[in-house]
Amino acid sequence: SSELTQDPAVSVALGQTVRITCQGDSLRSYYASWYQQKPGQAPVLVIYGKNNRPSGIPDRFSGSSSGNTASLTITGAQAEDEADYYCNSRDSSGNHRGVFGGGTKLTVL
Amino acid sequence: QVQLQESGPGLVKPSGTLSLTCAVSGGSISSSNWWSWVRQPPGKGLEWIGEIYHSGSTNYNPSLKSRVTISVDKSKNQFSLKLSSVTAADTAVYYCARFLERTWSGWYPNWGQGTLVTVSS
Repeated sequence: SSELTQDPAVSVALGQTVRITCQGDSLRSYYASWYQQKPGQAPVLVIYGKNNRPSGIPDRFSGSSSGNTASLTITGAQAEDEADYYCNSRDSSGNHRGVFGGGTKLTVL
Repeated sequence: QVQLQESGPGLVKPSGTLSLTCAVSGGSISSSNWWSWVRQPPGKGLEWIGEIYHSGSTNYNPSLKSRVTISVDKSKNQFSLKLSSVTAADTAVYYCARFLERTWSGWYPNWGQGTLVTVSS
């Protein structure tokens, strides 16, 4: 399958922990990468590989994977974390194509 | 730091061809990356369009494959997207991005700012 499934919307209280998930067959053999997108802006990489953060991404962002599910966890969510989050992987069918999840809108209450 | 910048017409007529170019600076397009196009219709999610390696090898989204051509110009350090027979459904912000791939993982560390292309008569 080339699909990645995300919950459309998730909310979290300020300072609490939230997990955003991404499901797909390709995740059994390929790590997801995660992107944060704020209105009117290009996506920004926040997690890649097993659990790596690019320079400048706060350490409250972390990633994990189990079976066909990848997760992005924000520990101690801040108001500025309110954004859309997308996972990305490669097609598991062997066609070496990219695929994005449908995105999760995170609201920080 | 690699930077990418999209350019091209912001308005394309229905049944016409959308043409965009992505200029790469701060790095060589001949480096070991896939150079990609991603689009986002207004209010919707990201859609992967396709990618090209500096050798000219390409991969395309099956849903767009019959209409898409991605090419690379190493002399100008840029790559391009052509999408033919466009309709209003192709109206979107188009992003170019660098895809870095390693064993069992890959990611887009660099993105262009995006350019809105509207399909309308």
